Amino acid sequence: DIQMTQSPSSLSASVGDRVTITCRAGQIIANWLAWYQQKSGKAPKLLIYKASSLQSGVPSRFSGSGFGTEFTLTISSLQPDDSATYYCQQYNSYSTFGGGTKVEIK
Amino acid sequence: EVQLVESGGGLEQPGGSLRLSCTASGFTFSSYEMNWVRQPPGKGPEWVSYVSSGGDITHYADSVKGRFTISRDNAKNSLILQMSSLRDEDTAVYYCVRDATLGAGPDAFDIWGQGTMVSVSS
Repeated sequence: DIQMTQSPSSLSASVGDRVTITCRAGQIIANWLAWYQQKSGKAPKLLIYKASSLQSGVPSRFSGSGFGTEFTLTISSLQPDDSATYYCQQYNSYSTFGGGTKVEIK
Repeated sequence: EVQLVESGGGLEQPGGSLRLSCTASGFTFSSYEMNWVRQPPGKGPEWVSYVSSGGDITHYADSVKGRFTISRDNAKNSLILQMSSLRDEDTAVYYCVRDATLGAGPDAFDIWGQGTMVSVSS
């Protein structure tokens, strides 16, 4: 199994702040990485696929980057609606999710 | 509207069996590869199983291999997960999820059901 490690596990930021979440893969996965947003009691929602491609309907303040083993999800200007837990997922070999990053609004 | 609706969850004793179902609507179900993903309470998601669009290819996580069976009925737009020899650690919300890209092998998941809770406890 390919292990996925996210950091930080939680963060608190103010509306308008730039927020960055990191995901590290245990082996090279090229750009076969996705990011999801999950709000309490709801199913995860796809935000980014192939490391940097924005899913249809997702606000442009979300962006992804990286290749190989290091990846980032950036929220350019944090909004109140962005309070959620974010997960990365590798799909180079079957599928593995990271442990999650909880984003709270100050 | 593209939609996946799961059913069949509940409380079962260790060693027991459960059958989860997922009904798809709003898209051509037979064209898409499908998966089951589970999420234990307070933890991250875990991929469980995959089935190809035609149903002839299946894959399983090591944690469920030999105990769970995935299948589909394209005529009924239905995905099934037959779970047996259940363990405490199988307790989770189980989601039916769709591969984002047709025929792409391992993939991101673009459509998720609302989930069905499976609790395994004596």
